[in-house]
Amino acid sequence: KAGVTQTPRYLIKTRGQQVTLSCSPISGHRSVSWYQQTPGQGLQFLFEYFSETQRNKGNFPGRFSGRQFSNSRSEMNVSTLELGDSALYLCASSVSGDRVGEQYFGPGTRLTVT
Amino acid sequence: AQSVTQLGSHVSVSEGALVLLRCNYSSSVPPYLFWYVQYPNQGLQLLLKYTSAATLVKGINGFEAEFKKSETSFHLTKPSAHMSDAAEYFCAVSETQRALTFGSGTRLQVQP
Repeated sequence: KAGVTQTPRYLIKTRGQQVTLSCSPISGHRSVSWYQQTPGQGLQFLFEYFSETQRNKGNFPGRFSGRQFSNSRSEMNVSTLELGDSALYLCASSVSGDRVGEQYFGPGTRLTVT
Repeated sequence: AQSVTQLGSHVSVSEGALVLLRCNYSSSVPPYLFWYVQYPNQGLQLLLKYTSAATLVKGINGFEAEFKKSETSFHLTKPSAHMSDAAEYFCAVSETQRALTFGSGTRLQVQP
């Protein structure tokens, strides 16, 4: 079974631009969660989607948004990029999202904002 | 609110030595606790999890952790370190099993 895939793996953007990251979950998984990893703040939960609905949201500004499609693929969008948005963005999928210990993580997308 | 504290951002051990990575948590309800490992340029891999069954939890790659409620701790141990164990380790807590709160991570270095 293929694992969680994230595209692109690396991305360089300029401050003020917007960016869209993609996550394809493991086949049969309906829950997708997103996390931001930075050296200063560590790993922080962004949001979780299940069956195209956002169920949980972390403490991030409205510039961070996401969506999930009917095939469970998910995208996250960051508008008006700031230097502090440079991070590794990880997504994780699970069957139902009710057991975080059963999440599988993707390799991440490394975003650099210049 | 839940939180996790990992003592020691860097730990160095010799190959064959005991590995001990410390994790203390704070939670208003009985928590679910996890340890993850992250290798360079990779995502997180679950090592083990505590979900209120046995307090001593065995995970993959010879790691284990013991849940101690009185000490609010969930330290990760491995009797004998291997070079391949060099990575970053994250302790995490969840009250709802819907989202994880991670510690700041401990980078394990294994010396030959």
